Formats: sequence, C-alpha cells, structure tokens
Amino acid sequence: NAGVTQTPKFRILKIGQSMTLQCAQDMNHNYMYWYRQDPGMGLKLIYYSVGAGITDKGEVPNGYNVSRSTTEDFPLRLELAAPSQTSVYFCASSYPGTAFCAFFGQGTRLTVV
Amino acid sequence: DAKTTQPPSMDCAEGRAANLPCNHSTISGNEYVYWYRQIHSQGPQYIIHGLKNNETNEMASLIITEDRKSSTLILPHATLRDTAVYYCIVRVAENDRGSTLGRLYFGRGTQLTVWP
Repeated sequence: NAGVTQTPKFRILKIGQSMTLQCAQDMNHNYMYWYRQDPGMGLKLIYYSVGAGITDKGEVPNGYNVSRSTTEDFPLRLELAAPSQTSVYFCASSYPGTAFCAFFGQGTRLTVV
Repeated sequence: DAKTTQPPSMDCAEGRAANLPCNHSTISGNEYVYWYRQIHSQGPQYIIHGLKNNETNEMASLIITEDRKSSTLILPHATLRDTAVYYCIVRVAENDRGSTLGRLYFGRGTQLTVWP
C-alpha cells in the first residue's frame, strides 16, 4: 500500500492563479481531510469528507473547494490564489470506528507570490 | 476549537522518560484522547489513544486521570529521534452521530526537544 499520496510536493503560484492539490489513498478509508499548516503553527482543518459525495467545512474553508467523487481521491481546489494561502497542506485519511487513527500524506508546500 | 491545552515546549535528556501533559477539562463522555506527533514538517504520525483506561503500546504510554480532564503521554526512554511537536486531540468516536462527526482538530502542540 502506498498510503496517502499527495501531489505536487512543491508549487509556486502567482496571485490570482488556480490550482488543484491532489490527494489519493489506497486504504479504502471512508474519511479524508485537508489541513493547512502555517510556519510555527498547528494544523488547521480546511475541509473533510466522511464518504464519497459528502464534504463539509472545517475551521478555515474560505478560498478553497473540495470534491469527493470516489473513495480514493479528495482534491483541494484553490480558485484565486492569495499570498495568505502560502502554507504547507496536508491530506489525511482514516477508517471510521473507535480504534481510529489517521494517516497523513507528506504534504504539499505552496508559495503564492 | 482544539479543546486541549498543552505547554508550548519541553526539554528532555536522552534516555530519560518524557512526560507530556495535556489539559482537556471540557472533554465529553464520548470523546477519546488521541496523541499524534510531527517530526520536522513531515505529516503527523499517530501515537496512541484512549478513553478512560491507561493505554500502552510500543511507542508510548497514555495516562488519563480519573476525571478525564487531563492526560499525560509518556515516552519511557526518549531518543533524539523523538524530537518533534506532539499534539493532544479529543474526538468523538465515529459511530457517534454528533455535529463533530468526522472532524479532527489540532492545536499548536508541544515542541519536545530531546538533547544528548
């Protein structure tokens, strides 16, 4: 199993550009999450999904969109990039159930200039 | 809303036990306590979780107070590779139908530095 795979690992965007951060997991996990982490800070939840076709907002959803058409994929879309979106983005997935633990990808480092 | 409070930083000598505290005084009866760590900007890694009883695995031990308002993560023999940010999280079980179903909130965590 590859686990949680994020692409790209690094990206530089110009203000106003758009891009999609890709996230795929091969563990058949129902739950998937997107977080951002600013320097020296903890992770903030952007969006999450409890299953295909179901998404919900987290703490900081503004400026982002997500979709969940399959169990495996959970892309994060930035429509009009702003410098405030410069951050490291982490995708995660998990099973439901009480013996829960989340598996994280290695992150995408995004810089908006 | 992370619902937990942790000290921003701690130091520990290599080979000694590292005891990381977490306050979760507003924890609900159906919420578990989870610990994760993040080593140098890598993706966070699950360590351990518990509800009421103390738990132990190959990585660490988790001690939860009887009133469940606080817990301590114990790394029994800290090594240099344990230097990381440690996050304490409270979360409902997935089969509980609540408004927080599916959410996982991280605070700023504790930066643990293990020195030789």
